[in-house]
Amino acid sequence: QSVLTQAPSASGTPGQRVTISCSGSSSNIGSNTVNWYQQLPGTAPKLLIYSNNQRPSGVPDRFSGSKSGTSASLAISGLQSEDEADYYCAAWDDSLNGLWVFGGGTKLTVL
Amino acid sequence: QVQLVQSGPEVTKPGASVKVSCKASGYTFTSYAMHWVRQAPGQRLEWMGWINVGNGNTKYSQNFQGRVTITRDTSASTAYMELSGLRSEDTAVYFCARGWFTNAWYEDWFDPWGQGALVTVSS
Repeated sequence: QSVLTQAPSASGTPGQRVTISCSGSSSNIGSNTVNWYQQLPGTAPKLLIYSNNQRPSGVPDRFSGSKSGTSASLAISGLQSEDEADYYCAAWDDSLNGLWVFGGGTKLTVL
Repeated sequence: QVQLVQSGPEVTKPGASVKVSCKASGYTFTSYAMHWVRQAPGQRLEWMGWINVGNGNTKYSQNFQGRVTITRDTSASTAYMELSGLRSEDTAVYFCARGWFTNAWYEDWFDPWGQGALVTVSS
């Protein structure tokens, strides 16, 4: 079964720009859009980016998404302490009968 | 405001079934879809399935091999996820999440999410 690959951790200092990557394959990111979710400790995930690069209302424009080939990226600029959370990418996978697949999550630490 | 409120924690035994509910408010329940996603301790998020709340059509992940059933009660604005043949590896937090497309579960996104329901499977 295809899954998405993320680095387990990332870090930055306040005000910095951080990028979180998500690597997939032709059956998921390569042929479908990518969504990103933020999960603060002890809470449910929250939609951060949809359709590769669209921000839901209420999400600051410090957050941006992009996709190229079989990889996607989430960029956070002007890093703030409240951005410390786990970040997950997700995409539909066309293999077998089809299913949504998630990355393993990247824990972002604000130093 | 749009809100999904799930049922409380459950402790159940191997081989049993569990049914988790997800009550929606703040929007027209039948105009959207509902996904179910689980998160086992230390594991990645795992998609279980989807229901078109309007007509009841469903799609399930093959990873659950017929063990999962998703239903809805439109009169109660509530969706349900039932998982049978429970084993210890099914111990997880189970989330419902609204889907925005009633016929394109593969182009969807999950927003918002319920608070999660912890299901513990232990003998």
